[in-house]
Amino acid sequence: AQTVTQSQPEMSVQEAETVTLSCTYDTSESDYYLFWYKQPPSRQMILVIRQEAYKQQNATENRFSVNFQKAAKSFSLKISDSQLGDAAMYFCAYRSYQGGSEKLVFGKGTKLTVNP
Amino acid sequence: DVKVTQSSRYLVKRTGEKVFLECVQDMDHENMFWYRQDPGLGLRLIYFSYDVKMKEKGDIPEGYSVSREKKERFSLILESASTNQTSMYLCASSPRTGVAFFISGAFFGQGTRLTVV
Repeated sequence: AQTVTQSQPEMSVQEAETVTLSCTYDTSESDYYLFWYKQPPSRQMILVIRQEAYKQQNATENRFSVNFQKAAKSFSLKISDSQLGDAAMYFCAYRSYQGGSEKLVFGKGTKLTVNP
Repeated sequence: DVKVTQSSRYLVKRTGEKVFLECVQDMDHENMFWYRQDPGLGLRLIYFSYDVKMKEKGDIPEGYSVSREKKERFSLILESASTNQTSMYLCASSPRTGVAFFISGAFFGQGTRLTVV
């Protein structure tokens, strides 16, 4: 079964600085999808960024980028120029596809605090 | 604006009660999911469904059942609520095909915080 591990329960960063959140996963599939979701205090889960495994190029979305290392099964999220609004829980997720059905498997999350 | 709507944001129920959590999506998505979120444990999948009347167990199905009679609605049922089912429950939906799933990801409701007393 696929598993997703986020080794940092909490992280903090100064406003305008850069922070990297770690994620590793375990899978035997060769092609798959990876996602980072943000959950602010409002509880609404928001898709931040996505990566397709067969694409070598790292995904970027404005201040958010990933470092995807397929061989190491690592998918870290980098937030540049951190803003107060980035404070949230961040979840790494893997899209599992088996036997015709698909689901998202999540890590335990990293709580990000942004200090002014 | 796409939407996944959960019927309640907060719910308080008594031990032994039968509890229904309702979720409706307006995006014509095939996939629907129920997750449970607890501090330090992340999101754990309870049940999911890829079509009307179809359901599959997730990682923690014990004590729960689901119903999907219509494509847009996915209900989570706690047959006899217990205090260890006090938690945040999140519903999500997504397109079924791989590329569409990748592009949109899964859309989430705002969650139901259930307290069983």
